[in-house]
Amino acid sequence: DQQVKQNSPSLSVQEGRISILNCDYTNSMFDYFLWYKKYPAEGPTFLISISSIKDKNEDGRFTVFLNKSAKHLSLHIVPSQPGDSAVYFCAANSNSGYALNFGKGTSLLVTP
Amino acid sequence: DAGITQSPRHKVTETGTPVTLRCHQTENHRYMYWYRQDPGHGLRLIHYSYGVKDTDKGEVSDGYSVSRSKTEDFLLTLESATSSQTSVYFCAIMGPHNEQFFGPGTRLTVL
Repeated sequence: DQQVKQNSPSLSVQEGRISILNCDYTNSMFDYFLWYKKYPAEGPTFLISISSIKDKNEDGRFTVFLNKSAKHLSLHIVPSQPGDSAVYFCAANSNSGYALNFGKGTSLLVTP
Repeated sequence: DAGITQSPRHKVTETGTPVTLRCHQTENHRYMYWYRQDPGHGLRLIHYSYGVKDTDKGEVSDGYSVSRSKTEDFLLTLESATSSQTSVYFCAIMGPHNEQFFGPGTRLTVL
């Protein structure tokens, strides 16, 4: 049973515009959420995380928003650049667990 | 760079043969993980380790075993490889803030 869901397999955005990637989760015990970026033939790269005690975390062009009541988080990339084209994975875990639960990923294409 | 290497990076083997993948880390991290990535499934946890000789099963552990005799090395073994184990395998370590950092991956093809 998929506890972390990324319902959009792909997203295409123009360079300079905002990219919004969405993620939903079902397990109310999750209290730590992460986004990873993955290029082909490479391992996933940690991007940004957020704890459940916050509703927003920002790092440069990347901002993650958490809506606990809706069990929803989103990653905003502003402005989008062609080098952001990659697969983005949402992940979550709980304080009592050691493993990350991953979504299936969203493939982002940023066009010039 | 979390100092994680995986070997081999690519391997082609035949059904029924044993295969061992190695993950090596240089920064003395306690927790190590093995995931597999398949189209339409994201990354799924196979096994993880929370110390030398301390391991536990993940979501998709059937057909896999692991060993950790030294802090720096975490081995994943397929005792008798099957075509369903064709996948990309990633090793990871847990960082200081519970984030995980991944190695470059091993692409395994079982014919």
